[in-house]
Amino acid sequence: RKEVEQDPGPFNVPEGATVAFNCTYSNSASQSFFWYRQDCRKEPKLLMSVYSSGNEDGRFTAQLNRASQYISLLIRDSKLSDSATYLCVVNGGSSNTGKLIFGQGTTLQVKP
Amino acid sequence: GAVVSQHPSRVICKSGTSVKIECRSLDFQATTMFWYRQFPKQSLMLMATSNEGSKATYEQGVEKDKFLINHASLTLSTLTVTSAHPEDSSFYICSARPFSTDTQYFGPGTRLTVL
Repeated sequence: RKEVEQDPGPFNVPEGATVAFNCTYSNSASQSFFWYRQDCRKEPKLLMSVYSSGNEDGRFTAQLNRASQYISLLIRDSKLSDSATYLCVVNGGSSNTGKLIFGQGTTLQVKP
Repeated sequence: GAVVSQHPSRVICKSGTSVKIECRSLDFQATTMFWYRQFPKQSLMLMATSNEGSKATYEQGVEKDKFLINHASLTLSTLTVTSAHPEDSSFYICSARPFSTDTQYFGPGTRLTVL
């Protein structure tokens, strides 16, 4: 089983749609959770951290369910510029090595 | 803030040569830097954790004698791919972690092609 699992997609949605991505992780000791965005042939860029209480940043909402070891990202009012691969990322556990484990990524294509 | 640079951005070399990639944190100090590799349509795979002033920690399956890592200062880490072969062709990305944070900031990556 992969340490971080995501549906690779692709998700093809029209502009203005709401789309949700899910992610599960296997290490119950993980303490930090993130969503990164990666454009084609570019480096990942931090989209947002994910907090236990859930958090929102503009059109983006992230949720964490520690009991189910499940993370989600909701994008409202999709823009063409949201087209990218979204990476679910968790830290490597309680040893605090800073090691990050990346999911395979979910590809989003927003169409006009 | 939190800018990480990588050099070179792209390199093409012949099989058997060695290639050095530099990773610099430009506006912060990082005791820890990380080196990743990404093959097409796959996720980032951590290769090694680079600690300033000490030996790097390599992930299982990554040959430390082939991928030499040096972390000479709080703002610079280098990865040298020795005796490169075509199967080493990949996108190599570094990241740096500022003090007291779990957030990693990524360099723009180096695309290595070995002929």
